[in-house]
Amino acid sequence: GDSVTQMEGPVTLSEEAFLTINCTYTATGYPSLFWYVQYPGEGLQLLLKATKADDKGSNKGFEATYRKETTSFHLEKGSVQVSDSAVYFCALTLSGGYNKLIFGAGTRLAVHP
Amino acid sequence: AAGVIQSPRHLIKEKRETATLKCYPIPRHDTVYWYQQGPGQDPQFLISFYEKMQSDKGSIPDRFSAQQFSDYHSELNMSSLELGDSALYFCASSLLGSATNEKLFFGSGTQLSVL
Repeated sequence: GDSVTQMEGPVTLSEEAFLTINCTYTATGYPSLFWYVQYPGEGLQLLLKATKADDKGSNKGFEATYRKETTSFHLEKGSVQVSDSAVYFCALTLSGGYNKLIFGAGTRLAVHP
Repeated sequence: AAGVIQSPRHLIKEKRETATLKCYPIPRHDTVYWYQQGPGQDPQFLISFYEKMQSDKGSIPDRFSAQQFSDYHSELNMSSLELGDSALYFCASSLLGSATNEKLFFGSGTQLSVL
């Protein structure tokens, strides 16, 4: 079935370090791909998205490129801040699927000063 | 801008009681989704409604039911509550068919604790 697999956390980094959170997917058809962020005690917020192969989503210094050949959508940021500490979820929706999101397990990021 | 409103923010119930969670979508949004997120877990899709009709169904227990009303708000009814129902319940809305129809807007969630 359709699924999303992302690297296990927690990921612990020092401020200004480079971040990569891996995400791969399995899907029939042509999914749209998303990264959501959940700060402590808050709801899910869309961070970025890509709707077709080779698209690059970007927001707040985060980037992810839709790689169809490797079925991946890895999240990257060149220099993380303490305020980036949160749980990051990779997700997909299928075309014609009424936008139902299928989430990965989430990766907790902790950034220390 | 108006966001997705969920109420209550927190809810404490005892086993075997019932609970009703409410979701008010962004104005003009026609689609509502419910997700359940257990402690330390990823959100699991429960059910969705488009134009007041159920459009998709996920891992929603038979003890739960939901509906979307004429004003597009939705309610999730949960009966015979169990300890395992303790979770954060998210509602999301979208406008199906719009240029941004692949973007769901999430509410802040209702934290349900079953004691």
